[in-house]
Amino acid sequence: QVQLVESGGGVVQPATSLKLSCATSGFTFSNYAMHWVRQAPGKGLEWVASVSYDGSREAYPDSVKGQFTISRDNSGNILYLQISNLRVEDTAMYYCARDSKVRWFGHYFDYWGQGTLVSVSS
Amino acid sequence: NFMLTQPHSVSESPGRTVVIPCTRSSGTIGSNYVQWYQQRPGSAPTILIYEDDIRSFGVPHRFTASIDRSSNSASLKISGLQTEDEADYYCQSHDGDSRWVFGGGTRLTVL
Repeated sequence: QVQLVESGGGVVQPATSLKLSCATSGFTFSNYAMHWVRQAPGKGLEWVASVSYDGSREAYPDSVKGQFTISRDNSGNILYLQISNLRVEDTAMYYCARDSKVRWFGHYFDYWGQGTLVSVSS
Repeated sequence: NFMLTQPHSVSESPGRTVVIPCTRSSGTIGSNYVQWYQQRPGSAPTILIYEDDIRSFGVPHRFTASIDRSSNSASLKISGLQTEDEADYYCQSHDGDSRWVFGGGTRLTVL
């Protein structure tokens, strides 16, 4: 079965960097675009990054562009999210999610991990 | 860039029916598919409805969704409410290029 397991979260200080990982199994990782979605405490879902199946294309909303970098290792079936210059408002649960479509960007997320919590505090 | 607007909360009694609307701010609701996710407390979201009105595997027929071009909105209807339906529900759409948009979420209370 499809499994997505995030890691790398924790309590970090403002202005530092962090790299989140999402280990995947149960499907052919290299066939699917992947995404990161975050959820601040008590708030709604916010899409923050996407990468195409082959890593050739990335997408970000304006709110995180230049601060977040998504990448993938298709040989190891792992998705990454590098967050630089962390701010208090980046405090959130970060979920990785699989795209619904094989080979290119689809329009929704069909499998989600359980999330990794990032808390930015001095 | 469009937004999706949902009510913050709705409540209804067990056995009754509730409808959660999701209104698109600009552009046409029918131009991009709408999805619905359910998020139970302490859990990750799961896909409930995709491509406007298709139930995901294992989702009960009590859950139905539709779009209404006249109001530029989508809606999720849950019939025969059960206490286990208490959750947050999010609508989501895509701009056709590379931007995914979520509604703000609606907390359903079954009381």
